[in-house]
Amino acid sequence: DAGVIQSPRHEVTEMGQEVTLRCKPISGHDYLFWYRQTMMRGLELLIYFNNNVPIDDSGMPEDRFSAKMPNASFSTLKIQPSEPRDSAVYFCASSFAVASNEQFFGPGTRLTVL
Amino acid sequence: QQPVQSPQAVILREGEDAVINCSSSKALYSVHWYRQKHGEAPVFLMILLKGGEQKGHEKISASFNEKKQQSSLYLTASQLSYSGTYFCGTERSSGYSTLTFGKGTMLLVSP
Repeated sequence: DAGVIQSPRHEVTEMGQEVTLRCKPISGHDYLFWYRQTMMRGLELLIYFNNNVPIDDSGMPEDRFSAKMPNASFSTLKIQPSEPRDSAVYFCASSFAVASNEQFFGPGTRLTVL
Repeated sequence: QQPVQSPQAVILREGEDAVINCSSSKALYSVHWYRQKHGEAPVFLMILLKGGEQKGHEKISASFNEKKQQSSLYLTASQLSYSGTYFCGTERSSGYSTLTFGKGTMLLVSP
């Protein structure tokens, strides 16, 4: 398996623009997680899915953020409109379980909002 | 709540030992350890479960004190490849909860 795949790897956009981040989890993993990493706050969980269903989105910072998982092999994280404070590295991870099990992280998307 | 890691950073010479600590104010079910190299994704190292079961790999070990809600990661005879940032992720005592990660401990091993 190729591991968790994320695209794009780097995104530079201007404030107010819509940004869409994409993730393909490892086949057979029932759980998918979206994290945001910044120097100030570290690695924060934004939302996670179980069998394509959003289970906990309490980490989503604002209504500007939304996430979908239309099928078992694809998920998106959308920011609309984007703001400079959204600049961070966004990781997608997948796992067989919500916890007590290894999470496999994708390479991340480095987002810069000017 | 976010677990607290200490120290924030440590510099070692190859072959030296280091201990990284992770402390939580909440009762825990498990503690996970990940290592992240610069510009890369976090990679799983080890999980320690309530009740003493331990999983892991490589030559890095860890302990989990459930009563004190603390975990320690032991790196002995460090190698250059150990350099990176180490994160602990904690799972609440109820189980089946998501991980909350600490801010990380930066480890630099020099020749």
